[in-house]
Amino acid sequence: DVKVTQSSRYLVKRTGEKVFLECVQDMDHENMFWYRQDPGLGLRLIYFSYDVKMKEKGDIPEGYSVSREKKERFSLILESASTNQTSMYLCASSSGTKNQPQHFGDGTRLSIL
Amino acid sequence: DQQVKQNSPSLSVQEGRISILNCDYTNSMFDYFLWYKKYPAEGPTFLISISSIKDKNEDGRFTVFLNKSAKHLSLHIVPSQPGDSAVYFCAASAGAGANNLFFGTGTRLTVIP
Repeated sequence: DVKVTQSSRYLVKRTGEKVFLECVQDMDHENMFWYRQDPGLGLRLIYFSYDVKMKEKGDIPEGYSVSREKKERFSLILESASTNQTSMYLCASSSGTKNQPQHFGDGTRLSIL
Repeated sequence: DQQVKQNSPSLSVQEGRISILNCDYTNSMFDYFLWYKKYPAEGPTFLISISSIKDKNEDGRFTVFLNKSAKHLSLHIVPSQPGDSAVYFCAASAGAGANNLFFGTGTRLTVIP
């Protein structure tokens, strides 16, 4: 089974802090994704990566950056956290083959005070 | 602009009866469709998928139907069980690049014992 592991289940940070969310997958997947989930809005794509050191903006990249130095690890960075970034953050990975599902981690519930 | 829509935020069904969850999409380039199930405090779990060359795919109690002319897909769960109570997301992909998925906003299914 695919295992996608997010480093923290719950995180509380203060406005203006730099926040790092880490994600590791164990299936040698080429593609990795970061989403946020908010009530009534579904899952919205923040950034994705299809290879090491490659990144692409998703639908809502503002206020975020990402890093993919190794194939198995994809980090989401909030450069200066703000209260409107309080959300559930979900990491996913998928094979580079066409028509393959994404597999998700259990999410990080991030609160910015 | 929401390219994948789930117009019913919630659905309640008696145990043993059929649950039908619906999803509409607007992008005619979508050729791969998926359903995910999400329990509270967990990440979405892949349930079933269908490619556009088919109009039906079945896996145990779960069947997905695709009507390309209507740009509509549905998930049937028969018989429904209390453990099926969760939020269900439909998603679609145009199958290019990193298999980016576009998600609906979710339908909360409650199966009443």
